[in-house]
Amino acid sequence: EIVMTQSPATVSVSPGERVTLSCRASQSVSSTLAWYQQKPGQAPRLLIYGASTRANGIPARFSGSGSGTEFTLTISSLQFEDFAVYYCQHYNNRPPGLTFGGGTKVEIK
Amino acid sequence: EVQLVQSGAEVKKPGESLKISCKASGYSFRSYWIGWVRQMPGKGLEWMAIINPGDSETGYSPSFQGQVTISADKSIGTAFLQWSSLKASDTATYYCARRLWSDGYYAMDVWGQGTTVTVSS
Repeated sequence: EIVMTQSPATVSVSPGERVTLSCRASQSVSSTLAWYQQKPGQAPRLLIYGASTRANGIPARFSGSGSGTEFTLTISSLQFEDFAVYYCQHYNNRPPGLTFGGGTKVEIK
Repeated sequence: EVQLVQSGAEVKKPGESLKISCKASGYSFRSYWIGWVRQMPGKGLEWMAIINPGDSETGYSPSFQGQVTISADKSIGTAFLQWSSLKASDTATYYCARRLWSDGYYAMDVWGQGTTVTVSS
């Protein structure tokens, strides 16, 4: 079973700053990696899939990179609406299934 | 507009059964897999199960296999998640989500608003 580990658990950032979040897979997952944003009381929102492709309507300040076991999500200039929890997720096609990381909370410094 | 609309909040007692729903609209229901994700209070996201509404093929997380049942009714464009005997530890918010396939990759691109289930005696 693949385990997804995110770090750090919490990061404090000032608006306008750049932040990089990490996600590590316990074994290679190629580029089958997605990132989600979740704000309090809301459903998750897909940001990135295929490790680096932005989903429809996602601003260019969000970018994803990596392959194999190491992945990053970068927010180039943090906006107030970006303070949220971010999850990485691996999708396995056969057998079908998903594995989420534990999440990184981005809070205001 | 593509959307998933979930059934309302539930309050149940331990041992009771429950079936929650997720109604799809704005796209071909049978063409996209639907999954369910649990979020316990103050915790992260956990994948539970997934179904292909087109042929009813299913997949379950080992953590939830035998604990819940996923199903879908193509005639009404709705997916379901059910429990036969709830426990207090089933208290959580449950999300349904549609599986996207694009450029050879999968992700969950459309999410329901969540159904809060509270199990308490």
